[in-house]
Amino acid sequence: DAGITQSPRHKVTETGTPVTLRCHQTENHRYMYWYRQDPGHGLRLIHYSYGVKDTDKGEVSDGYSVSRSKTEDFLLTLESATSSQTSVYFCAISESFQETQYFGPGTRLLVL
Amino acid sequence: KNQVEQSPQSLIILEGKNCTLQCNYTVSPFSNLRWYKQDTGRGPVSLTIMTFSENTKSNGRYTATLDADTKQSSLHITASQLSDSASYICVVRATGNQFYFGTGTSLTVIP
Repeated sequence: DAGITQSPRHKVTETGTPVTLRCHQTENHRYMYWYRQDPGHGLRLIHYSYGVKDTDKGEVSDGYSVSRSKTEDFLLTLESATSSQTSVYFCAISESFQETQYFGPGTRLLVL
Repeated sequence: KNQVEQSPQSLIILEGKNCTLQCNYTVSPFSNLRWYKQDTGRGPVSLTIMTFSENTKSNGRYTATLDADTKQSSLHITASQLSDSASYICVVRATGNQFYFGTGTSLTVIP
């Protein structure tokens, strides 16, 4: 998985609780992305980062925030988890926006 | 509206047979098109990437074609193997910072 790890790999939480997912890369790629994948929708971009402290919203950013304080780490936070945020979350990295994205192994999140 | 549509939604083929997956898009202005393979429970892995000027690109038994005039792409898999069982995702990038993902074709190769 091209030097990308995600943690945790599985999480079960309750509605209303905060959740933070971590993406860590060892490739020193500038761009990092968070996607969610749901049946019938394919992959949808939540947020992406183009450098330390530089982030931008994607297609489905409502209810999510991100932070990138180091090149290698990109955090996704659900401030108050809802059942609609039950999904599989993928982190991806790329050297530039034009280059191929390399995906992490994914995090399965279940919000009860 | 920028969209990427893939067909068929699912496909079952016998091991050793060939198959072709389709991707039609309305994304404009077009920058490039990628095909990814996603095994169950894992993240997608890039197979090919094609720009406007490229008609065909191969990666082993995988051959992708692109017709930018009709906005169609296909992924041809030759001599399928059990390990080809996966979801295949077409992704079209527009100029600027926009990606459009298809919902994928689920391929099952049976012995």
